[in-house]
Amino acid sequence: GDSVTQMEGPVTLSEEAFLTINCTYTATGYPSLFWYVQYPGEGLQLLLKATKADDKGSNKGFEATYRKETTSFHLEKGSVQVSDSAVYFCASPGQRDSSYKLIFGSGTRLLVRP
Amino acid sequence: DGGITQSPKYLFRKEGQNVTLSCEQNLNHDAMYWYRQDPGQGLRLIYYSQIVNDFQKGDIAEGYSVSREKKESFPLTVTSAQKNPTAFYLCASSILGQGRNEQFFGPGTRLTVL
Repeated sequence: GDSVTQMEGPVTLSEEAFLTINCTYTATGYPSLFWYVQYPGEGLQLLLKATKADDKGSNKGFEATYRKETTSFHLEKGSVQVSDSAVYFCASPGQRDSSYKLIFGSGTRLLVRP
Repeated sequence: DGGITQSPKYLFRKEGQNVTLSCEQNLNHDAMYWYRQDPGQGLRLIYYSQIVNDFQKGDIAEGYSVSREKKESFPLTVTSAQKNPTAFYLCASSILGQGRNEQFFGPGTRLTVL
């Protein structure tokens, strides 16, 4: 079945460190890909998205490039801040008849220390 | 402001009681979704609806029921048949259509069974 796999957390970094959170997906075709962020006690917010191969989504210093050849959509940020501490979810649509549903990864908790 | 509202933010229930969680959106989206999130875990789909008066079971529908009498509203009832209902519940909505899967989330309702 459809799946999205992301690296397990928690990821603990010092402020201004470089961040990478890996994400791979199994949906075939050319699905849109998403990164969502969840702050404690809140719902999910869309962080960035990419709609086709080689697209780079970016927002708030975060970037992710849609790599069709490796079915990956890794999240990166050059210099993290304490305020980036949250849980990050990668998501991809399901296939065929399930294409209107989003398949979420299990989430990666990021903790940034001052 | 357009968005999704969920109420209440916190809900306490005694064992054996049914409770209904509210979800309203003014984004004019056709599709609406309910997810369950347990501590340290990802999202699991409970029910979804693509059109008024129609809805489908997700991955963990047992012990839950929904209705979609209006486009704007998609309430979720957690019944006494749900064995372990304590969780964080998230409602989402989206436009329908291939590749247009971006989902917008509400702030969530935290349900605790006493």
